[in-house]
Amino acid sequence: AQSVTQLGSHVSVSEGALVLLRCNYSSSVPPYLFWYVQYPNQGLQLLLKYTSAATLVKGINGFEAEFKKSETSFHLTKPSAHMSDAAEYFCAVSSYSTLTFGKGTMLLVSP
Amino acid sequence: NAGVTQTPKFQVLKTGQSMTLQCAQDMNHNSMYWYRQDPGMGLRLIYYSASEGTTDKGEVPNGYNVSRLNKREFSLRLESAAPSQTSVYFCASSEALLAGGPSTDTQYFGPGTRLTVL
Repeated sequence: AQSVTQLGSHVSVSEGALVLLRCNYSSSVPPYLFWYVQYPNQGLQLLLKYTSAATLVKGINGFEAEFKKSETSFHLTKPSAHMSDAAEYFCAVSSYSTLTFGKGTMLLVSP
Repeated sequence: NAGVTQTPKFQVLKTGQSMTLQCAQDMNHNSMYWYRQDPGMGLRLIYYSASEGTTDKGEVPNGYNVSRLNKREFSLRLESAAPSQTSVYFCASSEALLAGGPSTDTQYFGPGTRLTVL
């Protein structure tokens, strides 16, 4: 079985502040992990993915995530938030053929 | 390339009516998926097609049927709509043939269909 837990349905930050979105996974086999972003009224698009090549993964728009096996975590970070980062973010795990998504975290960015 | 397209964008149905949601991709992808998105629930997989000619149930298949018409098209049918099927439906595709193990494949999503069942 595979599952993902995203801590916090909403996260609020000020523009320029650090962004930290938390993701913990459960998997019976070594997983691959993904972060997707959804802007209002759009479909999801890939931010970054962990494919076991490197534990620190860099994605688009300045985001990165670190795979920590001992903590079963794959938290998403960005050093400095922009207003354009306001969106919903989904962590997902692939232990089998298909993806299992977390419930999502809405990132709110204030000026 | 249009990527993944979905029709219609919006639909309102009455309980018991039927409808088909259409999805097409122009990326020559092998695998296609249907998800539903509900507030606070994330995305849940309804059905998927690992290759042309095959379909499999996902997490929430009850009340739905699918058809992989050809490599490009994957439709989702609601035979008798219920208010519990009010949701936003997303189609997605990915390049690889699914083989049962973990996949690194990126999924590409359509813009979604917002369905309301009264």
